[in-house]
Amino acid sequence: GENVEQHPSTLSVQEGDSAVIKCTYSDSASNYFPWYKQELGKRPQLIIDIRSNVGEKKDQRIAVTLNKTAKHFSLHITETQPEDSAVYFCAATLTNTDKLIFGTGTRLQVFP
Amino acid sequence: SAVISQKPSRDICQRGTSLTIQCQVDSQVTMMFWYRQQPGQSLTLIATANQGSEATYESGFVIDKFPISRPNLTFSTLTVSNMSPEDSSIYLCSVQGWAENPPSYEQYFGPGTRLTVT
Repeated sequence: GENVEQHPSTLSVQEGDSAVIKCTYSDSASNYFPWYKQELGKRPQLIIDIRSNVGEKKDQRIAVTLNKTAKHFSLHITETQPEDSAVYFCAATLTNTDKLIFGTGTRLQVFP
Repeated sequence: SAVISQKPSRDICQRGTSLTIQCQVDSQVTMMFWYRQQPGQSLTLIATANQGSEATYESGFVIDKFPISRPNLTFSTLTVSNMSPEDSSIYLCSVQGWAENPPSYEQYFGPGTRLTVT
């Protein structure tokens, strides 16, 4: 079955710096890769996603890149702000299903 | 995106009892999922709630422990049966909704139910 690995588990950056979180997946047939942000005590919120027919997608300060050959995808946050502090989860679909398998999460702290 | 509500938002239960969690969506959705998130951990899929048929369970989860109902396209329930302290967790429902721009399916989460078993 699908396995999703996520690194790093924690990440601390200074406000204004960039943050990068990386995930690898095992199922070459996975075709959908969302990223969720979860603030303390809140539900996971979808922040950006990418499908396997696209290599990169950007939405203001966040971007996601996908390398299908290497089976990895990354979340890039530029000009980080304290309100970006949260736990971020990557996910990938199981083959031929809509089921999401989640990575282990990255706790991002942005210091003012 | 779909508006999803869950009841209860939290509960403290005694071991050996059962709790039923409700998930309500403001629009009809085909796919509904139930996840568990243990403290400080990632999300683990429990089962897919299918309308008009039995739920499909993931490895490690069984119907006797987590019976699920899906009576229509806007509602589902998850029951945590014969609870033990190891069942203490956040339980989240999730739905697959249609996004317009670009046109595609996306998955959204309910606010979760925080369960503590003593």
